[in-house]
Amino acid sequence: TQLLEQSPQFLSIQEGENLTVYCNSSSVFSSLQWYRQEPGEGPVLLVTVVTGGEVKKLKRLTFQFGDARKDSSLHITAAQPGDTGLYLCAGESNFGNEKLTFGTGTRLTIIP
Amino acid sequence: KAGVTQTPRYLIKTRGQQVTLSCSPISGHRSVSWYQQTPGQGLQFLFEYFSETQRNKGNFPGRFSGRQFSNSRSEMNVSTLELGDSALYLCASTRGRGIREEQFFGPGTRLTVL
Repeated sequence: TQLLEQSPQFLSIQEGENLTVYCNSSSVFSSLQWYRQEPGEGPVLLVTVVTGGEVKKLKRLTFQFGDARKDSSLHITAAQPGDTGLYLCAGESNFGNEKLTFGTGTRLTIIP
Repeated sequence: KAGVTQTPRYLIKTRGQQVTLSCSPISGHRSVSWYQQTPGQGLQFLFEYFSETQRNKGNFPGRFSGRQFSNSRSEMNVSTLELGDSALYLCASTRGRGIREEQFFGPGTRLTVL
């Protein structure tokens, strides 16, 4: 079974601060996705990274895929209360029968 | 364009009962996947259906089953419910294939087993 460990598990910071969330695995993934989930809703896809070393930016969010395609990071600049939510990474593999392997999640709270 | 809809949104059952959850994907999407989300295990893949056929299956016992209809709507069934089946069950419909695939999740059905 492939595992995706996210760190930190919980993060509470003040509005305007920067933060980084990590997603690590010992397995190689063909692609990796990041989702944000808010209470009472399903996860919403933020980005998909495919190439090792790839960096994608979505406004104040920067996503990076590790060179070996085993890990990824999400950096948020000048966090805002609207960034609050559960952040999930999910890896797609060419092996096994899992559709997507989801990470353990990072619950982010931005304090106004 | 309407999103993924799931019914019911909340459900309370007792041990030993069975339950059927429904998912209507986004119009035009032919693939539907089901996931179980719990605080302890996170999001785990149950199965995927495409054109009425199960295409992938996760590591869940046979009590968990599903099907897809010709209009792409999908149902999942859990028989002989256990306390540990209490979870948020999420359905996702898929656009695209391979690395360009995007999944759109519904709001989920929260199942409580007493």
